[in-house]
Amino acid sequence: GAVVSQHPSWVICKSGTSVKIECRSLDFQATTMFWYRQFPKQSLMLMATSNEGSKATYEQGVEKDKFLINHASLTLSTLTVTSAHPEDSSFYICSASEIAGVSYNEQFFGPGTRLTVL
Amino acid sequence: KNQVEQSPQSLIILEGKNCTLQCNYTVSPFSNLRWYKQDTGRGPVSLTIMTFSENTKSNGRYTATLDADTKQSSLHITASQLSDSASYICVVSLPPGGYQKVTFGTGTKLQVIP
Repeated sequence: GAVVSQHPSWVICKSGTSVKIECRSLDFQATTMFWYRQFPKQSLMLMATSNEGSKATYEQGVEKDKFLINHASLTLSTLTVTSAHPEDSSFYICSASEIAGVSYNEQFFGPGTRLTVL
Repeated sequence: KNQVEQSPQSLIILEGKNCTLQCNYTVSPFSNLRWYKQDTGRGPVSLTIMTFSENTKSNGRYTATLDADTKQSSLHITASQLSDSASYICVVSLPPGGYQKVTFGTGTKLQVIP
């Protein structure tokens, strides 16, 4: 149980294009989803927190107009990197949390998406 | 300065040996402390979860300990296997609910060699 999937697992795009990454909770309802970015040899950095049906909360320094997050259903959140540039190349990981199992507030992580912007 | 520091940064051990990874944190109070294993190019997978009142938790060959007085946690891996090669991340969650604010450690990259 508690499986989170991401699609695609990797993507290569040209500079200036937009890329959409999907995050799905497969066997539970995720009232809250998180998006992280991880650069090589660094720890995960939280980009934003999204609750189903409401606007995402972005961390300081993360451009909300560049990283569009939509959490339209309890099983799906999307991250769109708009007008991607080479410096946006990174490993993007989502995680999902289920309110019902709140005693430990565990986040279940997706497998990640490797984005390379040429 | 990161509120969750891990040591060593990297570690190489022989297959079958034991090892202990350290996590020192300044986040206080906290809701829970978790250890994750992250394989290269993959998302983190939870190994153990401990609340502030617990001092040990095991998951197979993985045993985590927590000393709230010294604000230290350790992850002990017994009889290491090649598949244990990964990064291990200590994560501290803030109260009250905790899940919306987590602090990730710097990670320890473990390599198990034959």
